[in-house]
Amino acid sequence: DAGITQSPRHKVTETGTPVTLRCHQTENHRYMYWYRQDPGHGLRLIHYSYGVKDTDKGEVSDGYSVSRSKTEDFLLTLESATSSQTSVYFCAISEAGQQPYEQYFGPGTRLTVT
Amino acid sequence: AQRVTQPEKLLSVFKGAPVELKCNYSYSGSPELFWYVQYSRQRLQLLLRHISRESIKGFTADLNKGETSFHLKKPFAQEEDSAMYYCALEISGNTGKLIFGQGTTLQVKP
Repeated sequence: DAGITQSPRHKVTETGTPVTLRCHQTENHRYMYWYRQDPGHGLRLIHYSYGVKDTDKGEVSDGYSVSRSKTEDFLLTLESATSSQTSVYFCAISEAGQQPYEQYFGPGTRLTVT
Repeated sequence: AQRVTQPEKLLSVFKGAPVELKCNYSYSGSPELFWYVQYSRQRLQLLLRHISRESIKGFTADLNKGETSFHLKKPFAQEEDSAMYYCALEISGNTGKLIFGQGTTLQVKP
């Protein structure tokens, strides 16, 4: 497995609380991505980063924010968690300059919002 | 609109039978397509990419631009092929952004 870890691996939280998920890589890859995985929807991109402090929205970014202050860390924050954000969240990384880009995935974080 | 469609949620076959997992895409540019696989209790990982024209674990996929398809095939399924399979389309070569299909669970019965 590529050096990608996610924390926490499991979390249960209540509606309305803020939640932060962390993705950490040891590969020094430039690009990092956050996806959510839901039955019937596959994986959908939430946000991605193309460098330190450089981030952009994906297709399902509402209710989520991200930050990348270091190459190795990409944080996903749910400002005020809702039940619709119950999902499995995956982080991925890829390296620029090697087209087409293979993405390497983390182990996932299972988030339940009650 | 950019879209990837995998019409089957579940495909169940017997060991030794041929397998075809369907993937159709909608994209105005030149498509770069991938198949990713997630085995039980393992991470999602790349299975193959169309530009490489490679065969991995006996799987192949041919890009058909006329039918906008990238079906994954294997002539003889093995039990260890049981997994979730995702077709993905790269929509931005500069950033590697991918759109994934809904996924197909392949179940290979003994």
